[in-house]
Amino acid sequence: DTGVSQNPRHKITKRGQNVTFRCDPISEHNRLYWYRQTLGQGPEFLTYFQNEAQLEKSRLLSDRFSAERPKGSFSTLEIQRTEQGDSAMYLCASSFWYNEQFFGPGTRLTVL
Amino acid sequence: AQSVTQLDSQVPVFEEAPVELRCNYSSSVSVYLFWYVQYPNQGLQLLLKYLSGSTLVKGINGFEAEFNKSQTSFHLRKPSVHISDTAEYFCAVTTNTGTASKLTFGTGTRLQVTL
Repeated sequence: DTGVSQNPRHKITKRGQNVTFRCDPISEHNRLYWYRQTLGQGPEFLTYFQNEAQLEKSRLLSDRFSAERPKGSFSTLEIQRTEQGDSAMYLCASSFWYNEQFFGPGTRLTVL
Repeated sequence: AQSVTQLDSQVPVFEEAPVELRCNYSSSVSVYLFWYVQYPNQGLQLLLKYLSGSTLVKGINGFEAEFNKSQTSFHLRKPSVHISDTAEYFCAVTTNTGTASKLTFGTGTRLQVTL
């Protein structure tokens, strides 16, 4: 088991473009979480999945953000019409039910 | 809703000295508490967790933390730090009710260890 992986590790885009990030959780984990971390802050919860069902979304997740987890395996997080305020580290974590969450290395997004 | 306060944004300390990183939480229900460490350009690694039972929990790399319900605190301690402990440390809380186990994090404490 290689842990949680995220791709790409870094993404630079121009304002107004769409971006998509991918997260591959630990294989036996049924829960998958997305967090956003801005400079000097702790991670903030965005959304989570239990298997393929998206069960909770934060009010931070505007309608420009969409997340999917088809077949309950990997997940994607898409941001449409990016804004400079979207620049952040996007972290993915997975867990088996209520057990501890294991975090991936994150995807750092820079919006120019 | 729960919240976490990490009172110190930065803690400078000399190598081999003891250190305490403070964490206070607020919640109207029972909580689970965690400390994570983040090295530059990396994700978060779990140091230790309190779920129930003994209020003194031991984690990796010689760290320990004590859950104090009356003071709503979960301070992290290490008796002797190393240069390699330089990193950002985050305290986090989740509740044991409902279907979600999302974590609420503090703003972090930067531990800077010098010779």
